[in-house]
Parts: sequence; C-alpha cells; structure tokens
Amino acid sequence: QGQMQQSGAELVKPGASVKLSCKTSGFTFSSNYISWLKQKPGQSLEWIAWIYAGTGGTNYNQKFTGKAQLTVDTSSSTAYMQFSSLTTEDSAIYYCTRHVGYDRPMDYWGQGTSVTVSS
Amino acid sequence: DIQMIQSPASLSASVGETVTITCRASENIYSYLAWYQQKQGKSPQLLVYNAKTLAEGVPSRFSGSGSATQFSLKINSLQPEDFGSYYCQHHYGTPPTFGGGTKLEIK
Repeated sequence: QGQMQQSGAELVKPGASVKLSCKTSGFTFSSNYISWLKQKPGQSLEWIAWIYAGTGGTNYNQKFTGKAQLTVDTSSSTAYMQFSSLTTEDSAIYYCTRHVGYDRPMDYWGQGTSVTVSS
Repeated sequence: DIQMIQSPASLSASVGETVTITCRASENIYSYLAWYQQKQGKSPQLLVYNAKTLAEGVPSRFSGSGSATQFSLKINSLQPEDFGSYYCQHHYGTPPTFGGGTKLEIK
C-alpha cells in the first residue's frame, strides 16, 4: 500500500517562498506521476501541476506557471513543490497525489499541508 | 479546459436511503471519470475510476455509471461513514479538473 507523507504546516509572510515536501513509500517512485493540488476552505480541488518522477518532466496548470516549481529526489522518493511570491490568495491546503499515468486517477493522497500567508 | 458541473451542491439524507450525485462534462471524456470522497479535515480518497470501476476496498453499495458527458455516483443504503463531500474529476489528460463538490449531510 502506497503512502505519501507531507511536510508540516507553514506560516509565511506575503512575498516569501515556501517549499513543500512529499515523501513516498510503498511503490516504485520513478515509475509514477506526482500531482500537487490546492484546496481552499469550503472549496473544491484545483490541480497545480504534475511531475513524472522518472524523468523530471513536468506539466503545469497555466494559472500556476511561474508560481509553482516541481522537483523530485529519486534517491529519497520525495517530491517537492516550491511556491513563490506568496499572497493571501495562496493560503490553502496543498495535497500531493500519485497517479500511474497522466490520464489515470489519483489513487494515493498525502495528508495535506496547510499554508497560511499572513504578515 | 474541460469544465465539470456537479449537482446537487448539497444533499441531506438519512441512514439507509439511496442517493445519486451527477456530474456533467463540458465535452466528451469517454469513461475517464473518477469520484472521490472527502471527510471533514481529511484528504480525498478515490472511490471510482473509469466511470464505473470501484477502487480497492470501496464497498459495493457505491456504484458509478455514465459515459461521454453524463455521469452519476449512486450510494445504496447510506451508512453513517458515507457522510462528507464528494467530487468528480475527469482524468482524460491534462489538465485534470474537478467538479464543485456535493456535500452529503445527515438528515
């Protein structure tokens, strides 16, 4: 059974950057896609981007291009998302997920990381 | 981007009842449709994919149907643990998009 363990909650100031992590286990990391999603309280889910862990190839939601940057460390089976130039609109819970293909459902989810942007 | 329209936005039902949630895609997504359940304060969990295939461990009281642009999730004989929010998502390529969600509450 795959697992995805995300880093802890973040409180950051406007204009700052944050780097979230997602450590995976229980599946072959490099053969999978990792997506990151955003969810604001009481709202639906918004896809940010995916990265194919085997090659580092990425695909971003146009809305988050230049805002989010995805990377992976295959040696530790960990995915990262750096979020830059944060504003209060970026306050949300961020999830990492696993899918076996770019057209496959998200079958493993991390527990979520809360990011609060406040001065 | 493909738009996913989900209805109803909220639903109140009693234990033992049967409920249906619908999801409409703005264009043909064949059977590339998934359903997720999210309980308060938890991450979503995959229930159904490919429109009608139950994910591992999902009880048989859940069933998915539909194709092209019209889909539904049916829950037979509601159990207390079924209450929460439900989301549809197309997985017909990139970008994947989600419906607005249905909040299922206890009557």
